[in-house]
Amino acid sequence: DGGITQSPKYLFRKEGQNVTLSCEQNLNHDAMYWYRQDPGQGLRLIYYSQIVNDFQKGDIAEGYSVSREKKESFPLTVTSAQKNPTAFCLCASSIGIEGHEQFFGPGTRLTVL
Amino acid sequence: AQSVTQLGSHVSVSEGALVLLRCNYSSSVPPYLFWYVQYPNQGLQLLLKYTTGATLVKGINGFEAEFKKSETSFHLTKPSAHMSDAAEYFCAVSDQSNTGKLIFGQGTTLQVKP
Repeated sequence: DGGITQSPKYLFRKEGQNVTLSCEQNLNHDAMYWYRQDPGQGLRLIYYSQIVNDFQKGDIAEGYSVSREKKESFPLTVTSAQKNPTAFCLCASSIGIEGHEQFFGPGTRLTVL
Repeated sequence: AQSVTQLGSHVSVSEGALVLLRCNYSSSVPPYLFWYVQYPNQGLQLLLKYTTGATLVKGINGFEAEFKKSETSFHLTKPSAHMSDAAEYFCAVSDQSNTGKLIFGQGTTLQVKP
């Protein structure tokens, strides 16, 4: 089955700790995206990557970092600079051409202890 | 810049009643438009999309949406609500940067009463 997987489903981090969220896709998509979803604000783009070894900041990149060493993988690191206590992070992928839909993973809920 | 506004953060209907979720967009050129559904603690699933051609678009689960350029709208409808339709719905527009990026509305939570 083709799709996007995210792990873990729930992640707890202590203040001052960095954590990494995994996102893998087997859809052979070039583009991948990370969003944060907050109540009443919809989805806001954290980072996106159109091709391997290249990525750009989205609207709320502060406190986050990414890498894109392989086409199928786009991990997101949440650093200690990220102050949000709780976040639901969603990974998506697409062909990367305008007009094509994005496919989403199941999400990771991140909580700061 | 493109933007999306969903009117009504919460909509409540009775089972069997018409569902109407409103979406207005701003775009300087013909847009690509999408509706997604999200069930609790899950990712988003595509309901339907408009790119070109017929302005009435049919999607999954009996939903449809009509692109109205003159009203800059892309409202989502379903003739008869089912309990399983209770979820959050997002309208999105392509940001026209040819990167595949989407701009999402704030979301509308649909409640279906028995």
